[in-house]
Amino acid sequence: DIVMIQTPLSLSVTPGQPASISCKSTRSLLDSDGRTYLYWYVQKTGQPPQVLIYEVSNRFSGVPDRFSGSGSGTDFTLKISRVEAEDVGIYYCLQSTQLPLTFGGGTKVEIK
Amino acid sequence: EVQLVESGGGLVNPGGSLRLSCAASEITVSNVRMSWVRLAPGKGLEWIGRIIPNTDGGTTAYAAPVKGRFIISRDDSENSLFLEMNSLRPDDTAVYYCAASMWRGVTAPSYWGQGTLVTVSS
Repeated sequence: DIVMIQTPLSLSVTPGQPASISCKSTRSLLDSDGRTYLYWYVQKTGQPPQVLIYEVSNRFSGVPDRFSGSGSGTDFTLKISRVEAEDVGIYYCLQSTQLPLTFGGGTKVEIK
Repeated sequence: EVQLVESGGGLVNPGGSLRLSCAASEITVSNVRMSWVRLAPGKGLEWIGRIIPNTDGGTTAYAAPVKGRFIISRDDSENSLFLEMNSLRPDDTAVYYCAASMWRGVTAPSYWGQGTLVTVSS
């Protein structure tokens, strides 16, 4: 199985400051079809997860442009350019290139 | 607006069985890849398994911890997804989410239900 390693475990950010979460996979997520199936989700307290980024760098409908994703192969990053209070939650990366799908362990983002 | 509504959660004894349902609206479960994902207390998200459209083979796939114990199925006439859980263990205690992918040929979820809590305890 592909293991997804997320760092840091938690992040405390001053509103208006940037934040960055890393996700590394134990195998390349580049599929034979040329696409990379790496996704980012956030789960806020009491809510189901919601997708932020699909296929590395594409923002899902309605996601603010302060969220961006980048990376390739085994190394990926989610960046929040200016953290807002509503961004509090647990962020997960997910790989869908190979079964079974596997999530990173999660990064808890808090506001200072 | 796509809606996925889970039901069927509750308290069950170790070794027991439970069947979860997921009713979908504004999305046709037979046409998209549907998954179950769970969130155990104090842990992270865990993908359990998925079912794909009949046009792509209609097959299921499962994560190792549930393979042989859990079965994913759907009822196209009811536009619903199911998760039959057998030989339940305390570490199966979790909120179970039904999820659908809007992306053709992709399993990663884009829509999620609110979840239903399953507690396995004597």
